[in-house]
Amino acid sequence: DTGVSQDPRHKITKRGQNVTFRCDPISEHNRLYWYRQTLGQGPEFLTYFQNEAQLEKSRLLSDRFSAERPKGSFSTLEIQRTEQGDSAMYLCASSQQGGTNEQYFGPGTRLTVT
Amino acid sequence: AQKITQTQPGMFVQEKEAVTLDCTYDTSDPSYGLFWYKQPSSGEMIFLIYQGSYDQQNATEGRYSLNFQKARKSANLVISASQLGDSAMYFCAMREGQQGGSEKLVFGKGTKLTVNP
Repeated sequence: DTGVSQDPRHKITKRGQNVTFRCDPISEHNRLYWYRQTLGQGPEFLTYFQNEAQLEKSRLLSDRFSAERPKGSFSTLEIQRTEQGDSAMYLCASSQQGGTNEQYFGPGTRLTVT
Repeated sequence: AQKITQTQPGMFVQEKEAVTLDCTYDTSDPSYGLFWYKQPSSGEMIFLIYQGSYDQQNATEGRYSLNFQKARKSANLVISASQLGDSAMYFCAMREGQQGGSEKLVFGKGTKLTVNP
């Protein structure tokens, strides 16, 4: 049983460039979440999908950020025109609807914007 | 206002002893869930334990137990018989609305636990 996977694990980019991250959830999970974690803080919610529908978005998700989950399986998070303030760990999680709905996290993608 | 407060930035414990990590929360929703996660230096968040607001019994999972005091709005994590591998950041989180509410988790700032040999 494989867990949540994320790719790439590390990304260094120059300010102004676009970046895209991928998340593959646990196969039987229909919910997928994106969080952002900066140094010394807990993760902050960005958005979540149930199947292919994006059901909730945080105010943190500015118009430079877009997330998709086209077939209800993997998801991508794109950041356009990156800024130094976007430097953070981007965490993906998945869960199965119902029950306690605990979220299982991937290893994260660490983004550094220079 | 912060919804999850973890007042201990760092905690130290001797191997094989028990340790309590504090967490208080703020919500007006009668239905909510509380979670604890462990984050080792590798960065991955590991789910440890869950407590629902309507659960009558305190949750337990192996060496982890949750001391849930609803009136005080606290959900402290107790780790018994600490091991060196327990050294990590620990985060308390809340989801408001157990059914049909927001599915996002709101996290505290975490407590760094160090287990000494």
